[in-house]
Amino acid sequence: NAGVMQNPRHLVRRRGQEARLRCSPMKGHSHVYWYRQLPEEGLKFMVYLQKENIIDESGMPKERFSAEFPKEGPSILRIQQVVRGDSAAYFCASSPLPRAEQFFGPGTRLTVL
Amino acid sequence: QKEVEQNSGPLSVPEGAIASLNCTYSDRGSQSFFWYRQYSGKSPELIMSIYSNGDKEDGRFTAQLNKASQYVSLLIRDSQPSDSATYLCAVSSAGGGNKLTFGTGTQLKVEL
Repeated sequence: NAGVMQNPRHLVRRRGQEARLRCSPMKGHSHVYWYRQLPEEGLKFMVYLQKENIIDESGMPKERFSAEFPKEGPSILRIQQVVRGDSAAYFCASSPLPRAEQFFGPGTRLTVL
Repeated sequence: QKEVEQNSGPLSVPEGAIASLNCTYSDRGSQSFFWYRQYSGKSPELIMSIYSNGDKEDGRFTAQLNKASQYVSLLIRDSQPSDSATYLCAVSSAGGGNKLTFGTGTQLKVEL
């Protein structure tokens, strides 16, 4: 049973470009969460999605960041007009039920030049 | 006050000893508690989950929860060098939906 998959594993963008991060949850999991880990900081919640719905986006920056989880395909975290402060590790997690254990993917390490 | 607090460490223990990692949380409505292990440059790996007061054992790991004291701990018996990592405490509260609130982690070093 494959775990949570994320791609790309490493992404380099120049300031002002767009970054698209993809996450495929574990088989049978319909709940997806995105977290960000800044250098030397803890993991911070960004957004919680179910298929076609954003359930909680209380941790998302108000501008430039968006997320989706379409009926078909992976969840996507999109960052427009990236800035150096967006450089971080972005982790996706999934769970089979609300409030169940969350399992993390390998992460995407974004570097903004 | 931070929502989830952990000593950053490093906590150094000799091989074969018991490592004790502690975590306190501020939200009395918290219902679910998790311990994750994170090696440098890697993603968090779920070690234990605990939902009710008391102890929960899984192999060399024991999680302890005391909701009255808002305290959760992780004991690692017979510590091995491969246990050297950062241990993250995570809490999910009823009012917070399904999101996990993480502590900043305790770095554990198991020395030969």
